[in-house]
Amino acid sequence: GENVEQHPSTLSVQEGDSAVIKCTYSDSASNYFPWYKQELGKRPQLIIDIRSNVGEKKDQRIAVTLNKTAKHFSLHITETQPEDSAVYFCAASKIGGGSNYKLTFGKGTLLTVNP
Amino acid sequence: KAGVTQTPRYLIKTRGQQVTLSCSPISGHRSVSWYQQTPGQGLQFLFEYFSETQRNKGNFPGRFSGRQFSNSRSEMNVSTLELGDSALYLCASSLGTVQTDTQYFGPGTRLTVL
Repeated sequence: GENVEQHPSTLSVQEGDSAVIKCTYSDSASNYFPWYKQELGKRPQLIIDIRSNVGEKKDQRIAVTLNKTAKHFSLHITETQPEDSAVYFCAASKIGGGSNYKLTFGKGTLLTVNP
Repeated sequence: KAGVTQTPRYLIKTRGQQVTLSCSPISGHRSVSWYQQTPGQGLQFLFEYFSETQRNKGNFPGRFSGRQFSNSRSEMNVSTLELGDSALYLCASSLGTVQTDTQYFGPGTRLTVL
């Protein structure tokens, strides 16, 4: 089955700096890669996702890049703010054609943005 | 639209008991997935239901079961509870189609087994 590795497990940055979180996946058939943000005591919330027919996607200060050959994808947060502090999860799934629909998650990255 | 709701939010049980958790998806969503979240193992997939049928199952023992009703609401049951079943149980709903597979999570049920 799919295996998703996420690094680093913790990341501390100064407000205004950029943060990068990286994930690798094992199943080359995976084609959908969402990122979730989970604040303490709250539900995971989708912040951005990318499908395998796209190499990069941006949404304001957040961007995700995908390298299908190397089987890794990354989350980039620019101009970080204290409210970006949370646990971030990457995930992978195979959708379409006898599809799977289950999300396999990385172990999460605790991002702390220091004012 | 109202978001995904889960009941109860908190539950305390003792070993050997059984428990039933409920999840109401976003209106119009036909797929409900269940995940177990623990500090050590992260988010692990339990099962997914689509139109009342289990479409996928994770690597959990048979003590974990679920079902989905015609209105897409889903229940998850855990029998013969063990201490290791203490976790946050999250459900997520989606339209469940190839084109729109985005999963939206509920707030979770915090289960404590004593």
